[in-house]
Amino acid sequence: DTEVTQTPKHLVMGMTNKKSLKCEQHMGHRAMYWYKQKAKKPPELMFVYSYEKLSINESVPSRFSPECPNSSLLNLHLHALQPEDSALYLCASSQGVGLGQPQHFGDGTRLSIL
Amino acid sequence: DQQVKQNSPSLSVQEGRISILNCDYTNSMFDYFLWYKKYPAEGPTFLISISSIKDKNEDGRFTVFLNKSAKHLSLHIVPSQPGDSAVYFCAASERNNFNKFYFGSGTKLNVKP
Repeated sequence: DTEVTQTPKHLVMGMTNKKSLKCEQHMGHRAMYWYKQKAKKPPELMFVYSYEKLSINESVPSRFSPECPNSSLLNLHLHALQPEDSALYLCASSQGVGLGQPQHFGDGTRLSIL
Repeated sequence: DQQVKQNSPSLSVQEGRISILNCDYTNSMFDYFLWYKKYPAEGPTFLISISSIKDKNEDGRFTVFLNKSAKHLSLHIVPSQPGDSAVYFCAASERNNFNKFYFGSGTKLNVKP
């Protein structure tokens, strides 16, 4: 069982919809991540939060808006997405202190844009 | 340009034999390396890691080897089991940007009974 929980597991939305992806961890980790993964490709980093502050934004379009309400929760707000945004969205967490900390992943949200 | 490369998209091995998965990188600033395993419909699961000050790290059936001069790492699984069948990703990060992982494109391992 993964210790990083993502909801929903599947999401289908239209291009004009607004939805949110949620991620939760209770391992006391202080760094949390959003990745996007297309079929047969490696995960691509989108955002990193360290101690609840956004530390890395990999030039992600503004239609993706991350939020970290507290150290255990990470949201990804979606608005006006495009069909090419259909992908698996993975959340991860790590202890966040220094080098040598593995990231632990959730099972992802499979997003389909109609 | 991809900084971490796994040139073998797939590998098939007989149960009980050794599986060797390979990974090459181009960035000499990489300081920490990891292997993840991914089953269908699940997220990647951390397997084993190694820092650049070591050349070998072992955990049960899994051993990671690092050759810094060749910018190459490998994962050995001995003995291979059918439950090891999955996609394996290698990843790396830099000392000064340790939260950013660069992933390879993955190798699909099939262990035949």
